[in-house]
Amino acid sequence: DTGVSQNPRHKITKRGQNVTFRCDPISEHNRLYWYRQTLGQGPEFLTYFQNEAQLEKSRLLSDRFSAERPKGSFSTLEIQRTEQGDSAMYLCASSPTASNQPQHFGDGTRLSIL
Amino acid sequence: GENVEQHPSTLSVQEGDSAVIKCTYSDSASNYFPWYKQELGKGPQLIIDIRSNVGEKKDQRIAVTLNKTAKHFSLHITETQPEDSAVYFCAARGDSWGKLQFGAGTQVVVTP
Repeated sequence: DTGVSQNPRHKITKRGQNVTFRCDPISEHNRLYWYRQTLGQGPEFLTYFQNEAQLEKSRLLSDRFSAERPKGSFSTLEIQRTEQGDSAMYLCASSPTASNQPQHFGDGTRLSIL
Repeated sequence: GENVEQHPSTLSVQEGDSAVIKCTYSDSASNYFPWYKQELGKGPQLIIDIRSNVGEKKDQRIAVTLNKTAKHFSLHITETQPEDSAVYFCAARGDSWGKLQFGAGTQVVVTP
C-alpha cells in the first residue's frame, strides 16, 4: 500500500498564473476527493469522483477551478488565473466504493500566491 | 448542510494524563464519524472512526463515543505521550457519496 501521492508538494506562483496539481490515489480505490485547507481550519470539500465521473462540486469551486480524472485513476486539479485567496493546502483523499469506508489523505500540495 | 463544531481549539495536557475533544453535528442523517490526526506539513491521518450503529469504540489508548440523540461525539486519549502532540480533527458524513464535513481542529500539546 503506497498511500495517496500528491505532486508537487509545494507550488509558488505569481497572481494570474495557472497551476495544476496531481493526485494518485490508492490503486484499488474508486472514489477520489479534493479538499482545500487554510491555516487553522479543517479541510473543506471541493469535489468528488466515482471512477472517471465527477459527481459533486462544492460552491467553493469557482469557474476558475477544474478537476479531471480521465481514466478513473489519477486526478488533476487546475486553477486558472490564480488569486491571493487561492493560497491554501490542497488535499486529495481516496476510498473504496463500499459505503462508509474511510478516506485516506495524501500530504497535500501547498500553494502560495505571490 | 452538515455543520460540525469542535471544542476546545487548544488543549494542553501533562504527559500521562487524558485528553478529551468534543464535537457536535447538526444533520441527524449523518452516520459516519472519523477522527484524524494532522502533524505539521502532513495530510490528515485517520486514527479511529465510528458508525452510527455503535455507541463506543476503542483502539489501545484511543476511544471514541457517540451520542446520536444529543448529536455529539468525543475522542478520548489516555496515557498521553509527547508524540500525541498534533492537531486533531473530527468529521461527519451524512450522504452516500462520502463527502466529509470537518470541525475546525484541536491543537493538542503534551508536555513532558
